[in-house]
Amino acid sequence: AQSVTQLDSQVPVFEEAPVELRCNYSSSVSVYLFWYVQYPNQGLQLLLKYLSGSTLVKGINGFEAEFNKSQTSFHLRKPSVHISDTAEYFCAVSVFSGGYNKLIFGAGTRLAVHP
Amino acid sequence: DAGVTQSPTHLIKTRGQQVTLRCSPKSGHDTVSWYQQALGQGPQFIFQYYEEEERQRGNFPDRFSGHQFPNYSSELNVNALLLGDSALYLCASSQGLAVRNTGELFFGEGSRLTVL
Repeated sequence: AQSVTQLDSQVPVFEEAPVELRCNYSSSVSVYLFWYVQYPNQGLQLLLKYLSGSTLVKGINGFEAEFNKSQTSFHLRKPSVHISDTAEYFCAVSVFSGGYNKLIFGAGTRLAVHP
Repeated sequence: DAGVTQSPTHLIKTRGQQVTLRCSPKSGHDTVSWYQQALGQGPQFIFQYYEEEERQRGNFPDRFSGHQFPNYSSELNVNALLLGDSALYLCASSQGLAVRNTGELFFGEGSRLTVL
């Protein structure tokens, strides 16, 4: 069964520093990969997605992610974070079954940006 | 363009009671998925509705049931509530079958259920 592992439950970082949030997935077939962000007391908002093509994907708010098939990873990066980036970040993989698909999420990484 | 809307936003129930949560999908979407997000965890897939039928189901007991209406809106029902059912319940919508979409979901703000 497909699964998603987010290697860090919490990542503290200072404002304007770079950050990387790590994500590994397990799948034997082609995958669609996603990063979602959840601000306090809100639902999930799509940051970026990898469907095919270029392995470097750019998303909203200056985030980008790199798909690495050999390492089954999809790490999220930002070169300079802001206080407003403090949130929970979820990596997800799309799983297809019987003509339908669903998203399987990792446990999340809490990004805390300090001044 | 209205996004995914859920109601109620917050509710408190006691053990053994029943609860109904409601969801209206994003305009143009016909598939609704429900997720449970316990505190400090990632969302867990409950089930998915398309054409008024349950199409996929996660590892949740039969106490969790749902419905989809002809206008694509959906309800999640939970019977015999347990303390462990306390969570944020997220509704997400998408368009059609897997062959026509990438799996991207659009989420509502969620309904926070507290069971005492």
